[in-house]
Amino acid sequence: KQEVTQIPAALSVPEGENLVLNCSFTDSAIYNLQWFRQDPGKGLTSLLLIQSSQREQTSGRLNASLDKSSGRSTLYIAASQPGDSATYLCAFYDKVIFGPGTSLSVIP
Amino acid sequence: NAGVTQTPKFRILKIGQSMTLQCTQDMNHNYMYWYRQDPGMGLKLIYYSVGAGITDKGEVPNGYNVSRSTTEDFPLRLELAAPSQTSVYFCASSQGFSGNTIYFGEGSWLTVV
Repeated sequence: KQEVTQIPAALSVPEGENLVLNCSFTDSAIYNLQWFRQDPGKGLTSLLLIQSSQREQTSGRLNASLDKSSGRSTLYIAASQPGDSATYLCAFYDKVIFGPGTSLSVIP
Repeated sequence: NAGVTQTPKFRILKIGQSMTLQCTQDMNHNYMYWYRQDPGMGLKLIYYSVGAGITDKGEVPNGYNVSRSTTEDFPLRLELAAPSQTSVYFCASSQGFSGNTIYFGEGSWLTVV
């Protein structure tokens, strides 16, 4: 059974810092990994999708990497902004199993 | 393009009542999912469907039922509501498992009292 953990559970940083969110999984037989953002009281918005044959994906200030051998994915956010404040969740296919999320707060 | 639409957005149920959460997608996606999210927690998969007429259990199916008679619709039925079913419910869809983004509805807030 796939187990997914995310560290840290919560993070508070000053505006402008670069930061890394971590996601770990136990079963390396995954298809894909997806990072989502969830704003309070809202649904989830897809940020980046990494297919199992890829090692990373980039979109603007976001970079996500996938290392199946170590069972880890990281989401790198460059030059953080207050608008980045949200909960970030990773999810693994095939049945789209979610991690518990990291709550990020960027202080102006 | 509406994407994934869920109704109702908010509902209060009494213990023992039943209700159906509606979910519709207009992207012609084969795969649809129902999740629940408890406060401060991640999402747990309740049921999923890989196409019309095909459904399967996820991590936490007890107390729920689903059907998939059309590609567009994937309703979630709560029978004999219990306080433990107080949660936020999300419907989602994707074209497939591999290499396809999953799209979420806005959520349905359910309270059982």
